[in-house]
Amino acid sequence: QVQLVQSGAEVKKPGASVKLSCKASGYTFTTYDISWLRQAPGQGLEWMGWMNPDSADAGYAQKFQGGVTMTRNTSISTAYMELSGLRSEDTAVYYCARGGVPGSRSWNYYDYWGQGTLVTVSS
Amino acid sequence: DIVMTQSPDSLAVSLGERATINCKSSQSVFYSSINKNQLGWYQQKPGQPPKLLIYSASTRESGVPDRFSGSGSGTDFTLTISSLQAEDVAVYYCQQYYNSPQTFGRGTKVEIK
Repeated sequence: QVQLVQSGAEVKKPGASVKLSCKASGYTFTTYDISWLRQAPGQGLEWMGWMNPDSADAGYAQKFQGGVTMTRNTSISTAYMELSGLRSEDTAVYYCARGGVPGSRSWNYYDYWGQGTLVTVSS
Repeated sequence: DIVMTQSPDSLAVSLGERATINCKSSQSVFYSSINKNQLGWYQQKPGQPPKLLIYSASTRESGVPDRFSGSGSGTDFTLTISSLQAEDVAVYYCQQYYNSPQTFGRGTKVEIK
């Protein structure tokens, strides 16, 4: 069965960086784009960007450009999202999610989600 | 960015009764070249990631009970739970993936009356 398993919770100080992982199983990793989204406590969902695991092409929401990098390691079917210059407003649960339509980049719905990783930014 | 406006913010429905959630987009999300509305619905229970219910405005995801249905086109959409069950208590979100950045509604909390 398709699974996305994310890395564990992180606590970071303002100004630091964090790199989260998302290990895929149960399907061919390079076939479907992976997006990252986040959800601040008690808030809604915010899309951050997408990555094509085959080509490594990526696209980011304008809000995050310059501060986020999405990469992958195909040999271990794992996607990564690094967020730099952390601020308290970045405290959120971060999700990776599989795009439902192969190759649809940012124009996609999400059929499988990771369990989420809580990132807490606090001095 | 396309703004997705959901209503109501919350609703309480008796078990077995119908629940209706509305979602309005600030511009059309109908993609004429593929004849599809780029609109999805998700269910999120506390402490869990969102779960896809509906995509293309009205296509039920595999395994989703048929009491969940989606309708609408252009800018106005509806998610209907035909007979509310206890396990349907959750927050429901609509999502547009017509334009980048894709955006979500603020959510509708469904509870049992």
